Amino acid sequence: NAGVTQTPKFRVLKTGQSMTLLCAQDMNHEYMYWYRQDPGMGLRLIHYSVGEGTTAKGEVPDGYNVSRLKKQNFLLGLESAAPSQTSVYFCASSWESISNQPQHFGDGTRLSIL
Amino acid sequence: KQEVTQIPAALSVPEGENLVLNCSFTDSAIYNLQWFRQDPGKGLTSLLLIQSSQREQTSGRLNASLDKSSGRSTLYIAASQPGDSATYLCAGGATNKLIFGTGTLLAVQP
Repeated sequence: NAGVTQTPKFRVLKTGQSMTLLCAQDMNHEYMYWYRQDPGMGLRLIHYSVGEGTTAKGEVPDGYNVSRLKKQNFLLGLESAAPSQTSVYFCASSWESISNQPQHFGDGTRLSIL
Repeated sequence: KQEVTQIPAALSVPEGENLVLNCSFTDSAIYNLQWFRQDPGKGLTSLLLIQSSQREQTSGRLNASLDKSSGRSTLYIAASQPGDSATYLCAGGATNKLIFGTGTLLAVQP
């Protein structure tokens, strides 16, 4: 079972470059989420989606955009990368509302911005 | 601001010991609690989810409790093993989001 797959696993960018992180889930989940994990700060929600074609802002949305064109995919974009966006990014999915069902996580994308 | 706090930040115990990890939260809008395990370089694995109507959940050697009135949850690990070594995170469930603690790094010494 693949579960939640994130690509790429690692990436190094220069300040000002753009990139897209891809998250794919094969569990037919409605809800998908993007988090970032920074030392001493825990995981923080960037954006989330409650179904195909929907997106919503989380706790720290600035500097990121997302799209959910297909139910199984949730893309996170950085239009102009900044060093403050150096982090580990996690995608997760769940059947129903984030609070009622366990979330399934990918293994993360480690992103460094120089 | 909604906050979730985990104490201690790190814990080292000898194999076979029973242990308790603590999680506290400040917002009454948090109506359930999830416990996760994170291994180095990996994502989070859901261990237990306690709904607001429940007091505790058990899975194997793990038992999690929830006391909403005091804003506390505990994760009890019985007969700890070296394979239990990982970071354990709790997260409070609110509308369309989870609020995460910063985790407890557990090392079980053989």
